[in-house]
Amino acid sequence: SAVISQKPSRDICQRGTSLTIQCQVDSQVTMMFWYRQQPGQSLTLIATANQGSEATYESGFVIDKFPISRPNLTFSTLTVSNMSPEDSSIYLCSVGWGSNQPQHFGDGTRLSIL
Amino acid sequence: GNSVTQMEGPVTLSEEAFLTINCTYTATGYPSLFWYVQYPGEGLQLLLKATKADDKGSNKGFEATYRKETTSFHLEKGSVQVSDSAVYFCALNSPRGNEKLTFGTGTRLTIIP
Repeated sequence: SAVISQKPSRDICQRGTSLTIQCQVDSQVTMMFWYRQQPGQSLTLIATANQGSEATYESGFVIDKFPISRPNLTFSTLTVSNMSPEDSSIYLCSVGWGSNQPQHFGDGTRLSIL
Repeated sequence: GNSVTQMEGPVTLSEEAFLTINCTYTATGYPSLFWYVQYPGEGLQLLLKATKADDKGSNKGFEATYRKETTSFHLEKGSVQVSDSAVYFCALNSPRGNEKLTFGTGTRLTIIP
């Protein structure tokens, strides 16, 4: 497995602002993913972060709202742009090595929008 | 497409009771199956996994068997503890190479002393 550090762990933000969440892994990984977990709900995949190229977004998620970077094999960021109260969720980073191996998750970022 | 149907919660049990959380899936091919656990205020932790039919995953007293004939992966524990109180997610990994996880809705488990 790997140690996955996600920052910040929580934040309270004003409507209309943007927040960038960082995900750092202590070893090189093949795949990195970003998920959203709305209050009391399951996880929904936002996008797959691709090293050195644009992220692959799932239906219902767009780059303008959730820009993602992955400059190398150990680091990725997710920005939540122009936030509204509906963006209040837990955002989780996960990593994987392919070949049907399990993904491992960071502790998440708990985001509240006022 | 892939889907995971998980037992509705919340589930409340007394300490030392037997636990079953049902999970069934729909997928093409042969997915890998996982149970994740989320303790209050934390991220998801892998609890156990099974990668092929008839495999049994086990960890911390929890078990689940990959049943292809019934497309199920039910989670069981013989004697639960208060510390097992958490939300449990069943998930499958697409066998088609994109490695996406599909999650069930989650089951909140509360164990009372």
